[in-house]
Amino acid sequence: GAVVSQHPSRVICKSGTSVKIECRSLDFQATTMFWYRQFPKQSLMLMATSNEGSKATYEQGVEKDKFLINHASLTLSTLTVTSAHPEDSSFYICSVGGPVGYEQYFGPGTRLTVT
Amino acid sequence: AQKITQTQPGMFVQEKEAVTLDCTYDTSDPSYGLFWYKQPSSGEMIFLIYQGSYDQQNATEGRYSLNFQKARKSANLVISASQLGDSAMYFCAMNRATGNQFYFGTGTSLTVIP
Repeated sequence: GAVVSQHPSRVICKSGTSVKIECRSLDFQATTMFWYRQFPKQSLMLMATSNEGSKATYEQGVEKDKFLINHASLTLSTLTVTSAHPEDSSFYICSVGGPVGYEQYFGPGTRLTVT
Repeated sequence: AQKITQTQPGMFVQEKEAVTLDCTYDTSDPSYGLFWYKQPSSGEMIFLIYQGSYDQQNATEGRYSLNFQKARKSANLVISASQLGDSAMYFCAMNRATGNQFYFGTGTSLTVIP
């Protein structure tokens, strides 16, 4: 299967600062990537669909100005949590749709803690 | 809208026994895919098994099988011969034929007892 990496794996930041999380598709080009958020002991919630070369599509209730997504190349999407607050502390996971169509490959996740 | 329901927040199974994790779904799309993922404490999502809505036969992958009942809109995961390493969260998910967004259930925490 495809290899998807995320960086950093863990990050701690102070309230009010911004944090950037990178998602890379290592072995094939991805025009579409997805960002999910998972609170402790809860399910993954789709935040947005990242589209290469165009604006991201956000799910209802997700603030696009707070969670900035940039998909500048076919192998890299970034999620920037702007002016982070403690309630943004969560596990953020990206995924990449596979070339066959139905597959989806997940990154290892980034654990964000905002103090 | 797509909705995935997992009604078992926690399950226990004796080692070497089989266990069934329930999943029901709701969609108006005629074509969709159903998935099961395992998430150990490390957080990574591990793909287990896939069932297409038009597949006639139930999917199987080693010790994993999917009991697909389309009319009932259920896609239960059966794990045979449970192992201690099977202890983890298990998520049922669905995607649409158009677009590749996944919608996840709330998960079931499985604990395998030695």
